[in-house]
Amino acid sequence: EAGVTQFPSHSVIEKGQTVTLRCDPISGHDNLYWYRRVMGKEIKFLLHFVKESKQDESGMPNNRFLAERTGGTYSTLKVQPAELEDSGVYFCASSHRAVRQETQYFGPGTRLLVL
Amino acid sequence: AQKVTQAQTEISVVEKEDVTLDCVYETRDTTYYLFWYKQPPSGELVFLIRRNSFDEQNEISGRYSWNFQKSTSSFNFTITASQVVDSAVYFCALSGQGGSEKLVFGKGTKLTVNP
Repeated sequence: EAGVTQFPSHSVIEKGQTVTLRCDPISGHDNLYWYRRVMGKEIKFLLHFVKESKQDESGMPNNRFLAERTGGTYSTLKVQPAELEDSGVYFCASSHRAVRQETQYFGPGTRLLVL
Repeated sequence: AQKVTQAQTEISVVEKEDVTLDCVYETRDTTYYLFWYKQPPSGELVFLIRRNSFDEQNEISGRYSWNFQKSTSSFNFTITASQVVDSAVYFCALSGQGGSEKLVFGKGTKLTVNP
């Protein structure tokens, strides 16, 4: 069974540009989560989708971040315009919905560097 | 609010030594879940174990063991007879606040096992 995949693995952009990150969850997983780790800090929650609906977006830092999950399959996270402090590793995770608080399986992350 | 503290930033051991990674958590919830993840140099987060707050039984999986003690709010992780391949950053995480499924992570402990 394929794990969570993320694209791209790395992205280097200039301040003010737009970047879109993609996450493909494990097949059949209704839950999809975005997290990020800014240099030297903890991994922090951004938001949680259940199928195509946003269940919890309390961790989204500001309105420059837009997450979508059309059709309840893959998800995209767009940063527009990117700022220097957005640099970090963005992780996606997915879990099955059948059992509450099921284990979240993580992808390899996207390393974003904003110059 | 929930909080996870991993006081050990970095640990260095010699192969075959036993090593314990500490994790202390704070939560007001009666139902919560604890996790350990491993992040090898390749960058992905690998799930190791999930524990719910009602199950204080310690667990052993090969060279890995976990000691969950509610009385001290700790969920420590021991690697017996460490190997070079155990070198990684290990994260402890907590979820369950208010029914939310988001994970709250500690800052991680970087373990280096030297040959």
